[in-house]
Amino acid sequence: DTGVSQDPRHKITKRGQNVTFRCDPISEHNRLYWYRQTLGQGPEFLTYFQNEAQLEKSRLLSDRFSAERPKGSFSTLEIQRTEQGDSAMYLCASSSPRTSGETQYFGPGTRLLVL
Amino acid sequence: AQSVAQPEDQVNVAEGNPLTVKCTYSVSGNPYLFWYVQYPNRGLQFLLKYITGDNLVKGSYGFEAEFNKSQTSFHLKKPSALVSDSALYFCAVRDHGSGNTGKLIFGQGTTLQVKP
Repeated sequence: DTGVSQDPRHKITKRGQNVTFRCDPISEHNRLYWYRQTLGQGPEFLTYFQNEAQLEKSRLLSDRFSAERPKGSFSTLEIQRTEQGDSAMYLCASSSPRTSGETQYFGPGTRLLVL
Repeated sequence: AQSVAQPEDQVNVAEGNPLTVKCTYSVSGNPYLFWYVQYPNRGLQFLLKYITGDNLVKGSYGFEAEFNKSQTSFHLKKPSALVSDSALYFCAVRDHGSGNTGKLIFGQGTTLQVKP
C-alpha cells in the first residue's frame, strides 16, 4: 500500500494526558499537512511542512500542540495536556509539486476522544 | 478571504437518478477546486479537481463536476446514482494566500443519501 498511513487509528485518553500521532506520507511527496475535523464539519487546516521545515501554523494550533517532521519523511503531532475540546478526527495529507494542482491525498485519520 | 459553501446539508436521490451536489466558492486569483468523498470513520478520498482547461472535469467512480466562473460554482454531478455513492462529500479550494502553502479550505460537507 503506497498511500498515506496514520497511527493509531483511534485513541482514547483522559483529560490532561499527552498524546502523539504519527503520519507516514506517500514516499515521494515532500509536502505534508495536518487537518482537524470535528463532527459535522469540514476539515480545518492545522499546519504544513515542506520537507522538514514547518512553514505555516494555524491559529487553531495552540501552544499545547506541536508537530515535527524531523527527516522530511514521517511527521508527528503531539497534543499536551489534552482537553475535551481536542476530541476530533486528525487527518494527515501529502502532496507533490509534480502533480497537477498538487492534489492532496489523505490518510485514514486518527480519531481522538478525550474523556 | 477564501471560502467554500455547500448550501445543502443533505441530498436525497433515488438509485438510477442523476445527482447534483452544489458548491460555490470565493477566492482571489484562479481557483484550484477539488471534490473529496468521505465514508464513515474513514479519511478523505480524492474524486476530481479543476485546475485549468475544460470546464467539465471527469473523476473517479463516474463523477464529474462543472466549473462555472461567472457563478463561482463547482457542482458535483453523476448521471446515475448508486446506493454505494451514499457518503459525505466535501468541496475544497486551494488557498492562494500568503506563503502559498497550498492548504485546502473545505466546505462543511453534504451528505448524499441514495435510496434503492
